[in-house]
Amino acid sequence: ETGVTQTPRHLVMGMTNKKSLKCEQHLGHNAMYWYKQSAKKPLELMFVYSLEERVENNSVPSRFSPECPNSSHLFLHLHTLQPEDSALYLCASSQSPGTGGGSPLHFGNGTRLTVT
Amino acid sequence: GQNIDQPTEMTATEGAIVQINCTYQTSGFNGLFWYQQHAGEAPTFLSYNVLDGLEEKGRFSSFLSRSKGYSYLLLKELQMKDSASYLCAPYQAGTALIFGKGTTLSVSS
Repeated sequence: ETGVTQTPRHLVMGMTNKKSLKCEQHLGHNAMYWYKQSAKKPLELMFVYSLEERVENNSVPSRFSPECPNSSHLFLHLHTLQPEDSALYLCASSQSPGTGGGSPLHFGNGTRLTVT
Repeated sequence: GQNIDQPTEMTATEGAIVQINCTYQTSGFNGLFWYQQHAGEAPTFLSYNVLDGLEEKGRFSSFLSRSKGYSYLLLKELQMKDSASYLCAPYQAGTALIFGKGTTLSVSS
């Protein structure tokens, strides 16, 4: 399997539920990202991990909790979400941005999240 | 911080040529990415310009002027499958990519 794989593709959850999104990359990259894409809005950067260390948290509410156990896996743990959190959540990977050069992001197909 | 400006929507017909402009203001500029995103799908990489000038890649070309903070994506021989959003993203060294709102292109027959 190649590229960036996200599971599940679709998720419906209530506001009191706890769920996790999973991302796996098979590209040998050392940086992984979570982006959020709401309807009619641009992609919003949420979290950046470089060499398994979180290097950026873009003022994301604490109800979103990322985890990067190794350079190939990234999780986004969700709890007590709000309906406005309904969106497409995209995982991406690249070579570390700290390398200075522009390494393209490779995106997964995303998880379409609906909070009821 | 960054400021990225693209037209929100554009329309064109099959076989035509369309130019999607992007102006940006950013510190520590290294280069500029263009991505394509079909509705409900992940963005896919199209091009990365570092130097001034035009880079051609098949039907798609991308242009950069660093001094003017300006780039464009040129799509030739448009096809229906080119209907998508096109995202401009200036790259700042050592940081993660921040995207503009994108331009939604509709190609009709």
